[in-house]
Amino acid sequence: ETGVTQSPTHLIKTRGQQVTLRCSSQSGHNTVSWYQQALGQGPQFIFQYYREEENGRGNFPPRFSGLQFPNYSSELNVNALELDDSALYLCASSFSLGEQYFGPGTRLTVT
Amino acid sequence: QKEVEQNSGPLSVPEGAIASLNCTYSDRVSQSFFWYRQYSGKSPELIMSIYSNGDKEDGRFTAQLNKASQYVSLLIRDSQPSDSATYLCAVIMYSGGGADGLTFGKGTHLIIQP
Repeated sequence: ETGVTQSPTHLIKTRGQQVTLRCSSQSGHNTVSWYQQALGQGPQFIFQYYREEENGRGNFPPRFSGLQFPNYSSELNVNALELDDSALYLCASSFSLGEQYFGPGTRLTVT
Repeated sequence: QKEVEQNSGPLSVPEGAIASLNCTYSDRVSQSFFWYRQYSGKSPELIMSIYSNGDKEDGRFTAQLNKASQYVSLLIRDSQPSDSATYLCAVIMYSGGGADGLTFGKGTHLIIQP
């Protein structure tokens, strides 16, 4: 059984740029959720995708957007990067609203 | 505002003792509760899930849920130095539009002293 994978591991971007992060869900899972974790804080829910549609969204602006593909993998896109977007971005997969299992994360630094 | 509250610690426990981690939540309709362990620089790892009032045991870990008091706890028996980590309490909260994903507390930093 393959676990949740994310790419890239680390990323450095400049303010104003755009970034795409990728996630492959665990075998048998159909739902992908994305979280942002700032240093010293718990993860914050960005949004969730189920059957290729956004199924729920946290308190993040529209410049945070995503996609889910037929194989249940997912992308997180962030436009017009701001310094405060620097964080660990976590993807979690689950079967519907069941237990969520996290990937290793992508560390994004915005300079 | 829907919130999950944890004492940030650090909580220092001698090796072999019981570590007790606590969490309160604000949303009365929450149905699903989780404990994650996160080592420094790593992603959260699911330890326990609990959905109904009472205790749930898995090896050295016991989760306790009291929905009337909006309280969930995690006990770690026979604490080991490898248990030193940040423990995150997470709750699935529901709104009119459905589930809102996991709402996390800030985590409790646990230190097991050899």
